[in-house]
Amino acid sequence: DGGITQSPKYLFRKEGQNVTLSCEQNLNHDAMYWYRQDPGQGLRLIYYSQIVNDFQKGDIAEGYSVSREKKESFPLTVTSAQKNPTAFYLCASSIMGTRDHEKLFFGSGTQLSVL
Amino acid sequence: GEDVEQSLFLSVREGDSSVINCTYTDSSSTYLYWYKQEPGAGLQLLTYIFSNMDMKQDQRLTVLLNKKDKHLSLRIADTQTGDSAIYFCAESIGTGGYNKLIFGAGTRLAVHP
Repeated sequence: DGGITQSPKYLFRKEGQNVTLSCEQNLNHDAMYWYRQDPGQGLRLIYYSQIVNDFQKGDIAEGYSVSREKKESFPLTVTSAQKNPTAFYLCASSIMGTRDHEKLFFGSGTQLSVL
Repeated sequence: GEDVEQSLFLSVREGDSSVINCTYTDSSSTYLYWYKQEPGAGLQLLTYIFSNMDMKQDQRLTVLLNKKDKHLSLRIADTQTGDSAIYFCAESIGTGGYNKLIFGAGTRLAVHP
């Protein structure tokens, strides 16, 4: 079955530590996205990538980094510069085309907490 | 500015209709979306409506759009316990080559017997 797989489901970060969240898709989608979800708030876009080896900052990119070396994979690193990393992180993908990139397919998310 | 607002909670009895409301700010939005999030899961696209429509029906779901008031609603007929979830409204904002989605905070729908 095609879909988006995020791992791990739960992740704990110590002070000063970088952690990497994995996102893999086998939908053959060109575009991939990372969103952050906080309780009582809408999803906020961290980074997105429309093509391999290229990515763009979203609204809250500070303290995060990404790479897109393969079409299927879009890992997100939460660096020690992100002072409030506790949140639910969602990866999504879409095809590219007229309005089709707005129809997002989401993974099941990673809950990141600070120890 | 960009903003999408929704009420945070809605409680309904099983079998009744649910109406989830949303207001948005960008009058140039051409598509508006409803996503559903079940506990501990990602979002799933439920339905969407183009701005030149005022209503769209899809089985138990009815979307109403009042473009003048920038008001969007999602009606779920014969609400079931499986409809319990968080429902997100999203508008599309043009940024010069890329349309990004602005999500509301989500409405948590609780269905009780």
